[in-house]
Amino acid sequence: QSVLTQPPSVSAAPGQKVTISCSGTSSNIGNNYVSWYQQLPGTAPKLLIYENNKRPSGIPDRFSGSKSGTSATLGITGLQTGDEADYYCGTWDSSLSAGVFGGGTKLTVL
Amino acid sequence: EVQLVESGGGLVKPGGSLRLSCAASGFTFSSYGMNWVRQAPGKGLEWVSSISSSSSYIYYADSVKGRFTISRDNAKNSLYLQMNSLRAEDTAVYYCARDGYSGYDYDYWGQGTLVTVSS
Repeated sequence: QSVLTQPPSVSAAPGQKVTISCSGTSSNIGNNYVSWYQQLPGTAPKLLIYENNKRPSGIPDRFSGSKSGTSATLGITGLQTGDEADYYCGTWDSSLSAGVFGGGTKLTVL
Repeated sequence: EVQLVESGGGLVKPGGSLRLSCAASGFTFSSYGMNWVRQAPGKGLEWVSSISSSSSYIYYADSVKGRFTISRDNAKNSLYLQMNSLRAEDTAVYYCARDGYSGYDYDYWGQGTLVTVSS
């Protein structure tokens, strides 16, 4: 059971938009920055979003992040087949003094 | 170019020990906090441990506390994870990851090393 809650799967057609939610509590998302990671099959995770809504250099603006209260959302527009991957949210939990991740969401581009 | 290369994984019996290493290059290693994150086969990411740049602050997941020890050698640009009293549930790919922009994210990851605990 992950500390952060994500939907197990989402799907959408190429060119469409999808959002992935990440729910936590005041000890994690509510008081700390959220980051998002993309893990393509058979590869290491890759940072997509940091500090709730910032993109590292090289990440296209099709990817966006937001946070409200104890929840965060990853948005992907203009879906491409190459976006098919597992997506994870992560943050720090101040009560646990531990890093925490969501259980991951598998994105299928139909 | 930032590179993180893990090594030391392998097959070990329950109760055994293993030491993972992560060789860092392409950045000033001594300026960054470092982390170990693992992923059991077919499962999600699990944070394991973090160590600050000067080793002043160290944190562990409850699942490994008392069994695993994180350390670093800034002179050798290396991160380590000493794993003792290994259990079947420790079977996973272990990634080393660098602290990112805010300290709450991980901006570079290694390719991972597989640890299998089985008799």
